[in-house]
Amino acid sequence: GAGVSQSPSNKVTEKGKDVELRCDPISGHTALYWYRQSLGQGLEFLIYFQGNSAPDKSGLPSDRFSAERTGGSVSTLTIQRTQQEDSAVYLCASRPDRGQETQYFGPGTRLLVL
Amino acid sequence: QQQVKQSPQSLIVQKGGISIINCAYENTAFDYFPWYQQFPGKGPALLIAIRPDVSEKKEGRFTISFNKSAKQFSLHIMDSQPGDSATYFCAASNGGATNKLIFGTGTLLAVQP
Repeated sequence: GAGVSQSPSNKVTEKGKDVELRCDPISGHTALYWYRQSLGQGLEFLIYFQGNSAPDKSGLPSDRFSAERTGGSVSTLTIQRTQQEDSAVYLCASRPDRGQETQYFGPGTRLLVL
Repeated sequence: QQQVKQSPQSLIVQKGGISIINCAYENTAFDYFPWYQQFPGKGPALLIAIRPDVSEKKEGRFTISFNKSAKQFSLHIMDSQPGDSATYFCAASNGGATNKLIFGTGTLLAVQP
């Protein structure tokens, strides 16, 4: 079946602009994660959604970052007033339900802030 | 407490050799330890995972060795092949409400033909 999809695959923006990154999880997966992968570093947890529960936002680095998940499916990560240090690959992952640990990752969105 | 430390940063192995990547953690609440494989331009994909109630898990050429008392775990790739050339990440989570993964910094493996 179809995996996790993300769009756009690449995004170049100017410092100070807002960007929106989209994630379409695997159909039926109730859990959705956003991670950030900076050059030469591991993946850093940003935010977690599970069904209709309140999201875990503990990994968001600043109030310029926000995310929402509509209808328990598609999620959008928004970065306001982008800074050069926001340049990274933003990865989305989904997981079937609480009883299964495996997270399935999308290909990521490569964000470059000039 | 939340860190997972991974080494080496990069590794070059000859075809047919054994690749070994090591990780160490501090948080004793971690109870799930996956390894992810990532090819350039792709998202990470689960390779193999282990829970702390076993000391070793093998799937094909890939083996996780787990030392609970030392808080260390390692990935062994037997008979390494050029197609194994990728970045490998160890990770850990403590289940709970989120199952969020804490990742190591990655190891870039190059298997030379």
